[in-house]
Amino acid sequence: GAGVSQSPRYKVAKRGQDVALRCDPISGHVSLFWYQQALGQGPEFLTYFQNEAQLDKSGLPSDRFFAERPEGSVSTLKIQRTQQEDSAVYLCASSLRLPPGTQYFGPGTRLLVL
Amino acid sequence: AQTVTQSQPEMSVQEAETVTLSCTYDTSESDYYLFWYKQPPSRQMILVIRQEAYKQQNATENRFSVNFQKAAKSFSLKISDSQLGDAAMYFCAYQGGSEKLVFGKGTKLTVNP
Repeated sequence: GAGVSQSPRYKVAKRGQDVALRCDPISGHVSLFWYQQALGQGPEFLTYFQNEAQLDKSGLPSDRFFAERPEGSVSTLKIQRTQQEDSAVYLCASSLRLPPGTQYFGPGTRLLVL
Repeated sequence: AQTVTQSQPEMSVQEAETVTLSCTYDTSESDYYLFWYKQPPSRQMILVIRQEAYKQQNATENRFSVNFQKAAKSFSLKISDSQLGDAAMYFCAYQGGSEKLVFGKGTKLTVNP
């Protein structure tokens, strides 16, 4: 089947704009994760969903970051009033809810805030 | 909190030779999983190999194998018969009870023809 898809692949935003990043997980995958990857660094955890429930949002860097997964499938990561430090690649991963499910990653969205 | 350390920012290997990438981690959990992921320049993170901490036997996947030393909290990746397509960033990752992955900073592997 199809892998994890993300859109857009690239996004340029002016500082202060709101952006929305979309993730389509692998069909049937219960768990969905968002990570932020700064240039030259390893990914860092942002938030985690099991179905539509957001079980962990401890990695969200500020209240400008918001994620949702209303029907337990597609997820959207929203960043309000973007700042230059938000520039990064945002990775989405999904897994079956098995202890633990191996996480499969999408291609990422590269966000550049000018 | 768990941490993952990759002490080699860059490594290089000749085609067909063997290379070992190092990873150490810190945790107080007894039940966890360790992973190596590969990230080519295209950015898609690909699973290379996975190790369950309760298993003493080292995981292998074709040319890729690990040396898992639980007491030393060490988890190295050995790539045999290196190929040009192995060139990428390699990330070591830890997964414990919280399910999120904790990544190291990565090792950039160059394969020389």
